[in-house]
Amino acid sequence: GNSVTQMEGPVTLSEEAFLTINCTYTATGYPSLFWYVQYPGEGLQLLLKATKADDKGSNKGFEATYRKETTSFHLEKGSVQVSDSAVYFCALSGGARIQGAQKLVFGQGTRLTINP
Amino acid sequence: DGGITQSPKYLFRKEGQNVTLSCEQNLNHDAMYWYRQDPGQGLRLIYYSQIVNDFQKGDIAEGYSVSREKKESFPLTVTSAQKNPTAFYLCATRTGNGYTFGSGTRLTVV
Repeated sequence: GNSVTQMEGPVTLSEEAFLTINCTYTATGYPSLFWYVQYPGEGLQLLLKATKADDKGSNKGFEATYRKETTSFHLEKGSVQVSDSAVYFCALSGGARIQGAQKLVFGQGTRLTINP
Repeated sequence: DGGITQSPKYLFRKEGQNVTLSCEQNLNHDAMYWYRQDPGQGLRLIYYSQIVNDFQKGDIAEGYSVSREKKESFPLTVTSAQKNPTAFYLCATRTGNGYTFGSGTRLTVV
């Protein structure tokens, strides 16, 4: 079945540092890939997505490129801020359809803390 | 504004009791989902529904039940058969390739 693997956290960086959170996936077909962000005590917010190979999703300074050859969707940001502190989830949906329904499959999440 | 409302935000349950978590949406989305979140384990799918009066088990359905009598509503019941119900529960909807999440309910067994 489909699966997503994220780099283990927690990750702690200083403000203005460069961020990379690794994400690799296993899926049949051509899934869509997502990054979600969760702030303390809240639900998930879509950060960015990519629906086909070589697509680059971007939002709020974050970027991720859909790499089919390496089955990866790494999240990057050039200069992080304290307000970026949150839990980040990589996820996929689609590919081979199971029972006609698309289901979102998540990685385990990476907790990011940015120190001033 | 369209969105998903989950209530209550915090819920406490005594062991052996059933409890129902509410999820209401006004997005007019057909598909709805329930996820469970535990620390360090990401989100796991409990149940999902593609249309009214139809729902399917997810990866961890044991000890849970759902209903989908209206398009807007997808309540989740945590039964006494669920051995470790303390967790954060998230409801989501989908249209096309876009998913929207509610703000979650934190359930604690006391």
